[in-house]
Amino acid sequence: AQTVTQSQPEMSVQEAETVTLSCTYDTSESDYYLFWYKQPPSRQMILVIRQEAYKQQNATENRFSVNFQKAAKSFSLKISDSQLGDAAMYFCALGTSYGKLTFGQGTILTVHP
Amino acid sequence: DVKVTQSSRYLVKRTGEKVFLECVQDMDHENMFWYRQDPGLGLRLIYFSYDVKMKEKGDIPEGYSVSREKKERFSLILESASTNQTSMYLCASSRGTAGVPETQYFGPGTRLLVL
Repeated sequence: AQTVTQSQPEMSVQEAETVTLSCTYDTSESDYYLFWYKQPPSRQMILVIRQEAYKQQNATENRFSVNFQKAAKSFSLKISDSQLGDAAMYFCALGTSYGKLTFGQGTILTVHP
Repeated sequence: DVKVTQSSRYLVKRTGEKVFLECVQDMDHENMFWYRQDPGLGLRLIYFSYDVKMKEKGDIPEGYSVSREKKERFSLILESASTNQTSMYLCASSRGTAGVPETQYFGPGTRLLVL
């Protein structure tokens, strides 16, 4: 069985500051992928960033980057230069070869102007 | 752009009613998924399909069934709605690359209230 845990139900950040969202996971698979998805209020969920477990280099997408610690089974998301549009629910997810994803509980991010 | 649409944004049904939630994707994706989203629980997989007429149970299939007669359409059926099925239902689709969990594209969700 796979599990994904997001221990921060809510986080807040000031506009232009940096925030880190935490995620830990557990799986017995050796080959897997990790994802961060963003769900803005009343809008569709979209992919933020994706990491392949066999790649040691941390993925980055513009202001979004991850800190992937494979041995610790940790996959945190760092948002730099936070913007008001970053306010959303963020989900961490784990996927294996069958295409299914296991999601965490979600973290609500509030961005203060 | 991938587009995933769901038949209703909001739905109110009575206990015992049969409920159909429909999802359509326009990117020729092989995989389609139904999740329910509840506060504090994240998204939980109900059913998924990796090909037409193929279906697999997810983590919480009890009380639900699915149908996939055409590649682009995946329906979730609540045979006899109960109040504990009040939730947000999300549909998603992805390519079916062997051995790789591809990015999933989500619909806007259907908020179902069962009275």
